[in-house]
Amino acid sequence: DTGVSQDPRHKITKRGQNVTFRCDPISEHNRLYWYRQTLGQGPEFLTYFQNEAQLEKSRLLSDRFSAERPKGSFSTLEIQRTEQGDSAMYLCASSLSSKSRETYEQYFGPGTRLTVT
Amino acid sequence: QKEVEQDPGPLSVPEGAIVSLNCTYSNSAFQYFMWYRQYSRKGPELLMYTYSSGNKEDGRFTAQVDKSSKYISLFIRDSQPSDSATYLCAMSAVYNQGGKLIFGQGTELSVKP
Repeated sequence: DTGVSQDPRHKITKRGQNVTFRCDPISEHNRLYWYRQTLGQGPEFLTYFQNEAQLEKSRLLSDRFSAERPKGSFSTLEIQRTEQGDSAMYLCASSLSSKSRETYEQYFGPGTRLTVT
Repeated sequence: QKEVEQDPGPLSVPEGAIVSLNCTYSNSAFQYFMWYRQYSRKGPELLMYTYSSGNKEDGRFTAQVDKSSKYISLFIRDSQPSDSATYLCAMSAVYNQGGKLIFGQGTELSVKP
């Protein structure tokens, strides 16, 4: 399977704990995005990377959230001191951008469902 | 007001019906338009991708973009029970070099056998 993968698929944590999610994009894709989706809503943009550089962060991404993509391949999203309001589906997507080809099609992974109790 | 508006439904149709799903938007800078299908507790799956105005057809699916009215549509012909899912419209502005997508709320579709 050469699609976007995410791990874990489900995470239950207690309020105040830290959690970390991982995303592996499609191998040749240099752009990687994180979105958050709550029940009955469309995904909301959190942040994106081009290679290892984090180029944009939403104001939704509070200082408790941090994302990395250290070698321009996989990415991690960490939430510190989780709150019940952080309960959501966290989605990762990837796309390809190059000098010869620019696309805006994003391919999503299966998501990580976070429940904060 | 949200940048992208989409009727959440639910929409229920009999098998074989033609389904029309729609979104309106307010940002005239949007140039790239996508439709995603999302099954319950799964990630969104890209169905259609359109640049600027016009129509695009892929099998039973047709996407239409009317930039003058800031209105996009997805038509599903000969709908099947397997089409039952939530359909999300998404769009991106040309000035946004990162390609960040703005999504509608999603329309829940149920196709009854």
